[in-house]
Amino acid sequence: GAGVSQSPSNKVTEKGKDVELRCDPISGHTALYWYRQRLGQGLEFLIYFQGNSAPDKSGLPSDRFSAERTGESVSTLTIQRTQQEDSAVYLCASSRTAGSGNTIYFGEGSWLTVV
Amino acid sequence: EDQVTQSPEALRLQEGESSSLNCSYTVSGLRGLFWYRQDPGKGPEFLFTLYSAGEEKEKERLKATLTKKESFLHITAPKPEDSATYLCAVQAAGNSGYALNFGKGTSLLVTP
Repeated sequence: GAGVSQSPSNKVTEKGKDVELRCDPISGHTALYWYRQRLGQGLEFLIYFQGNSAPDKSGLPSDRFSAERTGESVSTLTIQRTQQEDSAVYLCASSRTAGSGNTIYFGEGSWLTVV
Repeated sequence: EDQVTQSPEALRLQEGESSSLNCSYTVSGLRGLFWYRQDPGKGPEFLFTLYSAGEEKEKERLKATLTKKESFLHITAPKPEDSATYLCAVQAAGNSGYALNFGKGTSLLVTP
């Protein structure tokens, strides 16, 4: 596609429910990143995929958070047993590869509200 | 630990009033310093990447510069449509793979 596509754009869920957020990277991009942006805060790194290598999960805040990626295409970020502090914008980004010199492009984000 | 600090947090300018935004960083080996623009309710939009001290890049009214400790985003004769949050991020050799480490941003308002 022309850009990074994320869905849903908005999600309201009840505390304790599970949610899945989807990211479709730019075609041909092998690197994919997930970030979280809480209201008034900077972007926090969550997880990073590069091709078929093992993902870097060092930014995931708890074991309630997980992500998968099928090959070099779509990724899903899953949050289990959601809490109110999970309310944030979840941003996905992709780049051609992970090396220096590669521009990282962001999607419009999925706005998650936990009530 | 890698750190990125942006200042000021907020800046209000009159249309045509030039100014600069600052991004100070401490990293263990800089791969690249990125500038993004973020409009309310939108994802970050890429502006520039700088790789080494002394490098400069320009785009319309924006010019980014880099030293070994900081980067500046100079805005010349801004217009109201330049109003946005400007984010700085570093990609460091010692960081999580190639993930970006972001500052909290500078919120810029340009009034007519």
